[in-house]
Formats: sequence, C-alpha cells, structure tokens
Amino acid sequence: ETGVTQTPRHLVMGMTNKKSLKCEQHLGHNAMYWYKQSAKKPLELMFVYSLEERVENNSVPSRFSPECPNSSHLFLHLHTLQPEDSALYLCASSQPAGPRGTGELFFGEGSRLTVL
Amino acid sequence: QQQVKQSPQSLIVQKGGISIINCAYENTAFDYFPWYQQFPGKGPALLIAIRPDVSEKKEGRFTISFNKSAKQFSLHIMDSQPGDSATYFCAARTRGAGSYQLTFGKGTKLSVIP
Repeated sequence: ETGVTQTPRHLVMGMTNKKSLKCEQHLGHNAMYWYKQSAKKPLELMFVYSLEERVENNSVPSRFSPECPNSSHLFLHLHTLQPEDSALYLCASSQPAGPRGTGELFFGEGSRLTVL
Repeated sequence: QQQVKQSPQSLIVQKGGISIINCAYENTAFDYFPWYQQFPGKGPALLIAIRPDVSEKKEGRFTISFNKSAKQFSLHIMDSQPGDSATYFCAARTRGAGSYQLTFGKGTKLSVIP
C-alpha cells in the first residue's frame, strides 16, 4: 500500500468514449501530479496541482482534462482519445515545496489505459 | 528535447556483481537528483537521492556519485541481487511555487541473473 490509490487499474476504451481516471492520496500531501509512462520514453509530466499553482505541460492534448477538487483527490478526464494515448498513467503526490521539503514523489500503481 | 539522458537502456549483471547506471543533465537549475526504482505492475518508488553540493551518497548497497562540473551522476549497486531486478530511473528536480517538477531519464531495465 503506497498511500496513493489509483482506479481503475486497467481501462480499455474506444476513441469516442469518455472516461475518467481517479487518484486519491492518504499521505497528507498537498501537491498532486499526473505522469504518462510510455514504453522506451521518459516519464512525462502532464499536470501538477498544489495550493499555490497549477502547472500544465503545454504538449499535452486538450483531450486530457485534469480536475483537482481538493488536496486529496485528482482526476484525469479522457475524451476522444487516440490509440497513441495508450500508456500507463501514474498519479503522484508530494509534500509542499519548501526549505524542508525532500522533493520525494509518492506514486500510485498506475492506470493502464488501452485505446482501441 | 531530452533534458536527462540515461544509459544503458538495459543491463544484465551476474549476482554479486556491480551494476552501474549513468545519467547526464543539461539544466543547471536542477537542485536535487533522485533515483527511482520500479518493479513490474508497480509505480516508481524513491530509492536514493543526492543534492548537487555532495559528490557521493551511500545507502546500503546503493551509491550515487555526482559530478557537478560534468553534469553527470551515476547509480552503483554493489553486490547486485536478483531482487534488484527492476527498472531504474534517474531524475532531476526543479522547484515550483508549491510543487516539485521531476524530469526523468528513459529508464534502465536491470536484470540480475543468479
């Protein structure tokens, strides 16, 4: 149990579907992240939410839409995806950035997405 | 543009041997360099990390060597064990207003054979 829970663990969807990935952290952190992990590519930061800021990777297509209703929950809404969006989507959380922050990201186990 | 370059892509080491993974970076704004370990079906987990004002950090069988002038750092796994078989990612951090942003290498798949 990592303290960061992602659901569903596996998702298969067609290109016209709308689905959402959910992430919940039980660590008392207040920064949450979505990363995309594709084979033979670096983990790609998609979005960051913290109390102070929201950061978006400008290369992420608009068919991915994040939502962060509070510091413990993070969603990734998916619509009209493409087959190349098939990947493992990882959620992470961290303590607030600051002089005492270690910078450690705690990852969930990921949601494996397949787009047909 | 890949800001953190990691090599090799895969590595096979005999049990008891030394595993060495190398990373190089370009951005001098990076202020923290962690290594993450990922087992199949799991998310990455922090293994060991170093700040740029230190040249070496050791935790058990795992050592990071850091060369600030060359913008390079490496992970050494001494006495490698089959249980160390996993994918290892180096990363480099920048700090935002309220969050940390990690730039990862592509990963090295380590296989330790008995």
